[in-house]
Amino acid sequence: DAGITQSPRHKVTETGTPVTLRCHQTENHRYMYWYRQDPGHGLRLIHYSYGVKDTDKGEVSDGYSVSRSKTEDFLLTLESATSSQTSVYFCAISEEGKGNNQPQHFGDGTRLSIL
Amino acid sequence: SQQGEEDPQALSIQEGENATMNCSYKTSINNLQWYRQNSGRGLVHLILIRSNEREKHSGRLRVTLDTSKKSSSLLITASRAADTASYFCATVGSSSNTGKLIFGQGTTLQVKP
Repeated sequence: DAGITQSPRHKVTETGTPVTLRCHQTENHRYMYWYRQDPGHGLRLIHYSYGVKDTDKGEVSDGYSVSRSKTEDFLLTLESATSSQTSVYFCAISEEGKGNNQPQHFGDGTRLSIL
Repeated sequence: SQQGEEDPQALSIQEGENATMNCSYKTSINNLQWYRQNSGRGLVHLILIRSNEREKHSGRLRVTLDTSKKSSSLLITASRAADTASYFCATVGSSSNTGKLIFGQGTTLQVKP
């Protein structure tokens, strides 16, 4: 299995509090991604990174920010959590490859509940 | 909006039977990928088919791609109870240079022993 660790695995917090999720990889892959998975929506891309300090928005980026100060770590922050951000969050990584023909490897997810 | 639409949403079969799942997408692609997700776990990559390929095999998996119809199918032959999972198709757009995937909503497969 690809070396991807997400932390925490579960978190319950209150509306309005800041939350940071961490994704750590040991594969030295260039690309890292954050997705959320919700019933009826599949997986949707929040933000992604194509290198240290290089990030960009995905499909559902409102209310989220990211940072990547080291190759191995990609942080997802909810500055002020809302109930609509209750979801399962997945981190994924991929190598740089020709024509983007590289698969993504996923962590086991963080289940976040915002009350 | 989701790129891929999968059909059926749910499928229940007996062990030993074949399972076929279909995926349709809307825009031109660089490649299409299939992933499996067991309950409570992350997604696992199964197979990648490039836009210039029509068919690909991996063990008991067979994937076809019809770019003229913007559709793909995943066939699992001789299914086993361990194949019970959700299956997702995902596409990389032809204009993408970052490998961003756009996922369908998935097909839930139950294989009864």
